[in-house]
Amino acid sequence: DIQMTQSPSSLSASVGDRVTITCRASQDISNYLAWYQQKPGKVPKILIYAASSLQSGVPPRFSGSGYGTDFTLTISSLQPEDVATYYCQKYDSAPYTFGQGTKLEIK
Amino acid sequence: EVQLVESGGGLVQPGGSLRLSCAASGFTFSDYWMHWVRQAPGKGLVWVSRINSDGSSTNYADSVRGRLTISRDNAKNTLYLQMKSLRAEDTAVYYCARDPTLGATPGWFDPWGQGTLVTVSS
Repeated sequence: DIQMTQSPSSLSASVGDRVTITCRASQDISNYLAWYQQKPGKVPKILIYAASSLQSGVPPRFSGSGYGTDFTLTISSLQPEDVATYYCQKYDSAPYTFGQGTKLEIK
Repeated sequence: EVQLVESGGGLVQPGGSLRLSCAASGFTFSDYWMHWVRQAPGKGLVWVSRINSDGSSTNYADSVRGRLTISRDNAKNTLYLQMKSLRAEDTAVYYCARDPTLGATPGWFDPWGQGTLVTVSS
């Protein structure tokens, strides 16, 4: 099975900072990569699909890039409401594995 | 409004059984593939199972294969997860989620239900 590895596992940054989270697949998954945001006590929410497509309604400060095995989620200017845990996920085929998550906090 | 509402969670003893339901509304349920995902307390997201639109094809995570069974009733707009031989490590919030791509290509998960908590303990 393909493994999904996120880094870092946790991150502290200041409001206005540019934040980057990386996700690596153990094999080529083309662009079948999604990013989710889960705020504390809330349900996961889709941010990015097809590696770089922004879900409708998601602020444009969020962006995704990558193809094959290496992917990134970037927040261009961190806002207080972005405090959350972020997960990548492969969805090319079963098993639809998630990364272990990146917990983002405000410094 | 597209909505998924899970139910059926609760406290069950090790070795016991439980059936979760996910009631769908606001969309043509029978057109979409559906998934179950779980999250143990304080842990990350783990994909559990997937079913195609007419229920003829399913997939499972290795950790649940043979013990959990996904099914659906398109006439009732409801997704199910039958759970048997439950273990302490099955304790988690269970979410149902829709693949929004109508099965044409593999898809991401959107939306998610609010989740139902299953606790396996004596």
